[in-house]
Amino acid sequence: DAGITQSPRHKVTETGTPVTLRCHQTENHRYMYWYRQDPGHGLRLIHYSYGVKDTDKGEVSDGYSVSRSKTEDFLLTLESATSSQTSVYFCAIRPGTGNYGYTFGSGTRLTVV
Amino acid sequence: AQKITQTQPGMFVQEKEAVTLDCTYDTSDPSYGLFWYKQPSSGEMIFLIYQGSYDQQNATEGRYSLNFQKARKSANLVISASQLGDSAMYFCAMREENSGGSNYKLTFGKGTLLTVNP
Repeated sequence: DAGITQSPRHKVTETGTPVTLRCHQTENHRYMYWYRQDPGHGLRLIHYSYGVKDTDKGEVSDGYSVSRSKTEDFLLTLESATSSQTSVYFCAIRPGTGNYGYTFGSGTRLTVV
Repeated sequence: AQKITQTQPGMFVQEKEAVTLDCTYDTSDPSYGLFWYKQPSSGEMIFLIYQGSYDQQNATEGRYSLNFQKARKSANLVISASQLGDSAMYFCAMREENSGGSNYKLTFGKGTLLTVNP
């Protein structure tokens, strides 16, 4: 299994505060993704990265920013958290050649109060 | 328009019976991949099976098989001999591979919650 860890696993924060979620991989994969999961919506792509310093927006990127200064780390930042950003956040990595299944982190449950 | 449609919010099946979870997709890209993931109540995303658009045969992985009907744009997951541990949310996803700048993004359906009854 590709090594991918998310931190923190759980977080409660107040409206208006900045929050950063971290995704760390040990497999040197090029492509990394941030999704949010909400009931009735499945998983929706927030941002993704196709290399160090190369990132782009997904379908629900408003209110979020990302950074990737090293291959192994992909950070998701909520600049000023809102209650609508209460969600479960998943990081995923695209596997290398010959392996099809994208690997997901364990998720971060974020609650904005 | 939704790219991935899962029309069954919930499904029930008796233990040891087979069940089919529906997935239809929408794309004009001739090259794409279809995925199924399982999410048990513990929350992790577990990859089950993959089907490429050019694959000639339906994918199978143990008790999981994918009924791929390209002309109908459907990629239904079939679970044979259901077990109690199969109770989970199941997601269908698609990756379009030729669209400019696709960067291998996965687009997910809204999921189907499967309950296996003893």
